[in-house]
Amino acid sequence: DTAVSQTPKYLVTQMGNDKSIKCEQNLGHDTMYWYKQDSKKFLKIMFSYNNKELIINETVPNRFSPKSPDKAHLNLHINSLELGDSAVYFCASSVQGGYTFGSGTRLTVV
Amino acid sequence: SQKIEQNSEALNIQEGKTATLTCNYTNYSPAYLQWYRQDPGRGPVFLLLIRENEKEKRKERLKVTFDTTLKQSLFHITASQPADSATYLCALDISGNNRLAFGKGNQVVVIP
Repeated sequence: DTAVSQTPKYLVTQMGNDKSIKCEQNLGHDTMYWYKQDSKKFLKIMFSYNNKELIINETVPNRFSPKSPDKAHLNLHINSLELGDSAVYFCASSVQGGYTFGSGTRLTVV
Repeated sequence: SQKIEQNSEALNIQEGKTATLTCNYTNYSPAYLQWYRQDPGRGPVFLLLIRENEKEKRKERLKVTFDTTLKQSLFHITASQPADSATYLCALDISGNNRLAFGKGNQVVVIP
């Protein structure tokens, strides 16, 4: 019954690897987002999709590539992982107003 | 530059008292402002939204005010309880299409 679910919850990987994080929402929302929360707890938007179309692409390295196969899913693929990519990544969805966030994926690059 | 500022120091408050948090912003003209609660290891949870033409919004023991002249929002938790201990984030709609920018959050610790 989870509204916004992300997998995996934890991800530990070596520098240079490629990894993906998956997100699914069952709320029927049109818009989905990826946010990054760094070690200082600052939440920063990375991407936003509306009905499978990219509408926001912040200044994010092109190693990060979102993919939305349908409006209920927004996945995040990261190539050539770097130490600085270590953070918690949150998926969220909204229709208007308040966001519903997933529980986060803690990515640790070693 | 654009900033959203919340107090970085934790607010320690006795149970039963009112906790008041401040969110100040510069160089934004948000159509609305939102408040979220975040517990350790969890995602933020939406609490309240207040529009630019609203002065005050209430939900149970929570109250939010929004002063677009001062560019400030106040968030109050009345009759605080230990279960209210968490980090509270303010967020602004910065583009008119529900794109949110978040403050860093303010931790509240309610002491029994």
